[in-house]
Amino acid sequence: DQQVKQNSPSLSVQEGRISILNCDYTNSMFDYFLWYKKYPAEGPTFLISISSIKDKNEDGRFTVFLNKSAKHLSLHIVPSQPGDSAVYFCAARSGTGYSTLTFGKGTMLLVSP
Amino acid sequence: DAGVIQSPRHEVTEMGQEVTLRCKPISGHDYLFWYRQTMMRGLELLIYFNNNVPIDDSGMPEDRFSAKMPNASFSTLKIQPSEPRDSAVYFCASSFGATGGNTIYFGEGSWLTVV
Repeated sequence: DQQVKQNSPSLSVQEGRISILNCDYTNSMFDYFLWYKKYPAEGPTFLISISSIKDKNEDGRFTVFLNKSAKHLSLHIVPSQPGDSAVYFCAARSGTGYSTLTFGKGTMLLVSP
Repeated sequence: DAGVIQSPRHEVTEMGQEVTLRCKPISGHDYLFWYRQTMMRGLELLIYFNNNVPIDDSGMPEDRFSAKMPNASFSTLKIQPSEPRDSAVYFCASSFGATGGNTIYFGEGSWLTVV
């Protein structure tokens, strides 16, 4: 049973436009969410995160929004650039003590010039 | 500082052979993870260690899989005997501490093909 779901396997966007990647989760104990970016033949790298006490976190062109009531988060990239073309993984962890990250299956973003 | 280092980067082996994947975590990190990536299941956690001790191996698919961490700077993931369905990218990752929000750092992965 997938606790973190990325229902869009792929997304195509034109350069300069906004890219919106979505993620849904089912575990109400999740309290910290992360996005990882993965280029071909490389390992995933951390991109941006958000705590459940916030509803928005921004870092340059990247903004993550969290809607706890809907158990939904999204990653916005504005403006999108060809170098953003990669697979984006949503991940979540729950609060008490140490817990591992649960990843979604990923969304492949293609930004065309 | 060097990142997480994995070897081999690519491995092609015949069904039934033993496969050993190796990992050197980032120096000072006390958590080490083995993940497997497939198209069907995405990134799955296989096992993780804290201070060289295996904490949770519930993700290890079956007894053919085993992992060890003899010291803080080295870990292995072994598959014996290997099967074609084991073909995947295996990632090792490490992190420091147990505070909320800690980031996991991944290696570049070991691409395994079992024919």
